[in-house]
Amino acid sequence: QKEVEQNSGPLSVPEGAIASLNCTYSDRGSQSFFWYRQYSGKSPELIMSIYSNGDKEDGRFTAQLNKASQYVSLLIRDSQPSDSATYLCAVGFGSQNFVFGPGTRLSVLP
Amino acid sequence: EPEVTQTPSHQVTQMGQEVILRCVPISNHLYFYWYRQILGQKVEFLVSFYNNEISEKSEIFDDQFSVERPDGSNFTLKIRSTKLEDSAMYFCASTPVGAGDTIYFGEGSWLTVV
Repeated sequence: QKEVEQNSGPLSVPEGAIASLNCTYSDRGSQSFFWYRQYSGKSPELIMSIYSNGDKEDGRFTAQLNKASQYVSLLIRDSQPSDSATYLCAVGFGSQNFVFGPGTRLSVLP
Repeated sequence: EPEVTQTPSHQVTQMGQEVILRCVPISNHLYFYWYRQILGQKVEFLVSFYNNEISEKSEIFDDQFSVERPDGSNFTLKIRSTKLEDSAMYFCASTPVGAGDTIYFGEGSWLTVV
């Protein structure tokens, strides 16, 4: 059974702070990793993808992947109230299937 | 920018009725997916479709469900004899290649079974 785990939150951070979101996965054969943002009642929208160990930065977002620890994280710098949403970690398991974690609800307080 | 489109955006149906949800994936994409999200719960994989056949399905995707690509553009999910617990947001998605590539979601079809 392929599992993706996230803390459900809510994670509350003040505006301007760094938000740190974590995700672990069960299958060592996983090859692709994604972070999506989902506003209530809306579809997931892609923030970042990462495929190899290390950090990947895109604007205020940094994804970190550690395959040995089966761990992927997302850092959001200078958090804004508009970043308040549920963040979904998705893992591609080498088949034509992506498995999503339950999501972490982030609240950025003005 | 190309996008996955879904219809209807919201459908209310009576228990026991059949429902067809429609999707138009991005035109040069090869893999198509249906996911489901029950209110307040996580996004769950239902089925993936490649080269005009199912490539993988979850335990949720039982005989009540079927998928079809009736023409070169549409990708449909049929739910037979709907149950109350089928009430959910159903997302269609597509990728150019597969699990190694980014998955693009449609806006979703919200199904309410009463």
